[in-house]
Amino acid sequence: NAGVMQNPRHLVRRRGQEARLRCSPMKGHSHVYWYRQLPEEGLKFMVYLQKENIIDESGMPKERFSAEFPKEGPSILRIQQVVRGDSAAYFCASSPQEGAFEAFFGQGTRLTVV
Amino acid sequence: GESVGLHLPTLSVQEGDNSIINCAYSNSASDYFIWYKQESGKGPQFIIDIRSNMDKRQGQRVTVLLNKTVKHLSLQIAATQPGDSAVYFCADWGTGGGADGLTFGKGTHLIIQP
Repeated sequence: NAGVMQNPRHLVRRRGQEARLRCSPMKGHSHVYWYRQLPEEGLKFMVYLQKENIIDESGMPKERFSAEFPKEGPSILRIQQVVRGDSAAYFCASSPQEGAFEAFFGQGTRLTVV
Repeated sequence: GESVGLHLPTLSVQEGDNSIINCAYSNSASDYFIWYKQESGKGPQFIIDIRSNMDKRQGQRVTVLLNKTVKHLSLQIAATQPGDSAVYFCADWGTGGGADGLTFGKGTHLIIQP
């Protein structure tokens, strides 16, 4: 049973480009959470999704950022027109049900905007 | 508001000694707490959790203490080993396991001296 898989592990984008980060939850997990981690900081909650639904996006910037978790395939975090301040590590975690968070995190995607 | 860009607190201990990492939380309604270990370049890894109706929980070489009166959490690691070197985060889960994800502390960098 593979863990939470994120790809790519490292992503370099020029300012103004789009970044797409993928997260495949653990088998049997239908709840996905995305977090952002700036250097020397803790993780900050961005968005919580279930299959085909955004449950809570209160931690996500209102512009340029979007997330989806389609019926088939991985969850996608999309950042349009990236800026240098978007450089960070983005982690996703998955759980089998809400409220029983079993804390399985992926290895993260490190986004560098140049 | 939160401060950004601060260096992580660092705790340096001799190999074989015990270490105590502290964490303060602010949400008195939090009912579930988790300690994570994050090694360089990796995602957070679950260590131990505790519910608010407990004040102590023990695992293998680790003990978590919860003081709800002063909203303080600590992680004790016995007989530290080189592999314990990492950044340790505490996190709390909102009331009722809500959809707002985990709130992470800034983390403490534990360094094990040979």
